[in-house]
Amino acid sequence: AQKVTQAQTEISVVEKEDVTLDCVYETRDTTYYLFWYKQPPSGELVFLIRRNSFDEQNEISGRYSWNFQKSTSSFNFTITASQVVDSAVYFCALSEAGFGNEKLTFGTGTRLTIIP
Amino acid sequence: DGGITQSPKYLFRKEGQNVTLSCEQNLNHDAMYWYRQDPGQGLRLIYYSQIVNDFQKGDIAEGYSVSREKKESFPLTVTSAQKNPTAFYLCASSQDVMVAGETQYFGPGTRLLVL
Repeated sequence: AQKVTQAQTEISVVEKEDVTLDCVYETRDTTYYLFWYKQPPSGELVFLIRRNSFDEQNEISGRYSWNFQKSTSSFNFTITASQVVDSAVYFCALSEAGFGNEKLTFGTGTRLTIIP
Repeated sequence: DGGITQSPKYLFRKEGQNVTLSCEQNLNHDAMYWYRQDPGQGLRLIYYSQIVNDFQKGDIAEGYSVSREKKESFPLTVTSAQKNPTAFYLCASSQDVMVAGETQYFGPGTRLLVL
């Protein structure tokens, strides 16, 4: 069975500091997909990134970057020069290959608070 | 603008009452999903539908029912059999059921409270 672990329940950092959110996953499949979502106080989940298991290249998007390491089954998310608007709950999720992407397995989330 | 709408934003249920949560999408997506979120937990899948008039149970389907009569609509009914319905309910959709690992996009959610 697939599983996603986000060991950091809550993190607080001062604005402009860098912060890394950890995500460790378990799956028996060789083909799978990893996602990060942001949940601001409004509640809606906002899609941030999708990564397939064959692409281990790290990705950068503005202040956001993602480090995917199959050797350690990790898909960590770093925010550089954090801002108050980054305060939210962040979820990592895993989908095993299959038609229709029937199921996303979510971690329990990390609540990030940026202190002005 | 394309997107997913959920209504109502807040819903109150009395004991023994069935309530229906609405989910509509105008993205022309094939698949739709219902998730439940409890405080401090991740999302858990209730039901999903890949095509009109067809749907499958997720991990926690007991006490819930769904229908998919139109591609753009996937309402969720919380029945009186669901003994602990207080939660945040999120609807999602993804574009193509024939593509693995499709991204799911979420609506704004409905918060259900029991009176």
